[in-house]
Amino acid sequence: NAGVTQTPKFQVLKTGQSMTLQCAQDMNHEYMSWYRQDPGMGLRLIHYSVGAGITDQGEVPNGYNVSRSTTEDFPLRLLSAAPSQTSVYFCASSYSRGEGYNEQFFGPGTRLTVL
Amino acid sequence: GESVGLHLPTLSVQEGDNSIINCAYSNSASDYFIWYKQESGKGPQFIIDIRSNMDKRQGQRVTVLLNKTVKHLSLQIAATQPGDSAVYFCAENRGLRGSYIPTFGRGTSLIVHP
Repeated sequence: NAGVTQTPKFQVLKTGQSMTLQCAQDMNHEYMSWYRQDPGMGLRLIHYSVGAGITDQGEVPNGYNVSRSTTEDFPLRLLSAAPSQTSVYFCASSYSRGEGYNEQFFGPGTRLTVL
Repeated sequence: GESVGLHLPTLSVQEGDNSIINCAYSNSASDYFIWYKQESGKGPQFIIDIRSNMDKRQGQRVTVLLNKTVKHLSLQIAATQPGDSAVYFCAENRGLRGSYIPTFGRGTSLIVHP
C-alpha cells in the first residue's frame, strides 16, 4: 500500500491564483481530513469527510473548498490564493480499530508559498 | 481558542534519560486522546492513544497517563534515544459527526543530546 499520498510536494502561487492540492489513500479508510501547519501553531483542521459524498468544515475553512466523490480521493481547492495561506498542508485518513480506538495516517505534506 | 495545549514548547534531555511531555485539555467531555510524533519534514505519526475510561496505557518504551480530574495527560518516553528527537503533539478527539478527527495542540519539541 502507498498509504496517503499528496501532490505536489512544493508549490508557489501568486496572489489570486487558484489551485488544487491532491490527496489519495489506498487503505479504504472512511475518514479523511485536511490540516494546515504554521510555525508555532500546531495543526489546524480545515475540512474533513466522514465518507464519500459527505464533507464538513473544520476550524479554519475560509478560502478552501473540498469534495469527496470517491473513498480514495479528497482534493483541497484554493479558490483565490492569499499570502495568509502560505503554510504546510497535510492530508490524513483514519479508520476505527474497534472499542472506540481510531488510528490516523498522514501524508508527507505540501509546502505552499503564496507571493 | 485551542482546547488542547502544551506546558513546555521545548524539552532537552540526555540520551538514556526518561522524558516526560505534558499536555492540558479544557473540554471535560473529551473521551479520547492521542499522541503524535512529527520528525522534521514529515507528517505526524501516531504513537499511542488512550480513552477516558483508562488512566494509563503502555506501549513500547512509551506510556500515556491521563488525569481527568485536572484535565491533564502526559507522554513518558523511557531511555530516550537520539531518534526520539522530534515535535510531539497531543490531540483530542472531539467526535465530529460521530467520527474521530483529532484537534491538535501546539506541540513540544524534544531535543535529545548524545
